[in-house]
Amino acid sequence: QKEVEQNSGPLSVPEGAIASLNCTYSDRGSQSFFWYRQYSGKSPELIMFIYSNGDKEDGRFTAQLNKASQYVSLLIRDSQPSDSATYLCAGRSGGYQKVTFGTGTKLQVIP
Amino acid sequence: DTEVTQTPKHLVMGMTNKKSLKCEQHMGHRAMYWYKQKAKKPPELMFVYSYEKLSINESVPSRFSPECPNSSLLNLHLHALQPEDSALYLCASSRGSGTDTYEQYFGPGTRLTVT
Repeated sequence: QKEVEQNSGPLSVPEGAIASLNCTYSDRGSQSFFWYRQYSGKSPELIMFIYSNGDKEDGRFTAQLNKASQYVSLLIRDSQPSDSATYLCAGRSGGYQKVTFGTGTKLQVIP
Repeated sequence: DTEVTQTPKHLVMGMTNKKSLKCEQHMGHRAMYWYKQKAKKPPELMFVYSYEKLSINESVPSRFSPECPNSSLLNLHLHALQPEDSALYLCASSRGSGTDTYEQYFGPGTRLTVT
């Protein structure tokens, strides 16, 4: 049974729009969540992390966490073609060292 | 500075070769990780070192042998690999304690091809 689930996409949005990426998790013990951006052939790059219920904003990115619904999301405002990548959601549970990755959502921003 | 470096960037090796992957971080992080990533899949955890001690081995075959010489360095020794071991090998590091988040920072990876 997967612990972190994401829609594989691709999610296509026009340039300038808001992209909404979603993630659900099954382990209620998960405490922290991370969003990574991965360009094809490159390594994952950390863009946001969140561990409290609510919203966390950083520039064009907003992470949202709802522990009651076991739901994490990432909003990207004013999407740019350079945002086109695979976005990996990850949750930390079972000890501070181990995170579980979702399978990733491929985002395409259409110029 | 959140830089993790890895060498080499690319590696081609035969099934009888012995090679090593290297990873270095200077962020004062006390936990370091090896992941394996196949195309279109998420990273798959292999090993975790915490305070230079192996704390997690995800049942990785013995042909992969990790080593942590000091808090800044992590090696992965490779021997008698199989073609299916071809993948992107990622090193990551995180703070070991004193925070809730333990976000991991990845290096650029080593693209390994086993022939």
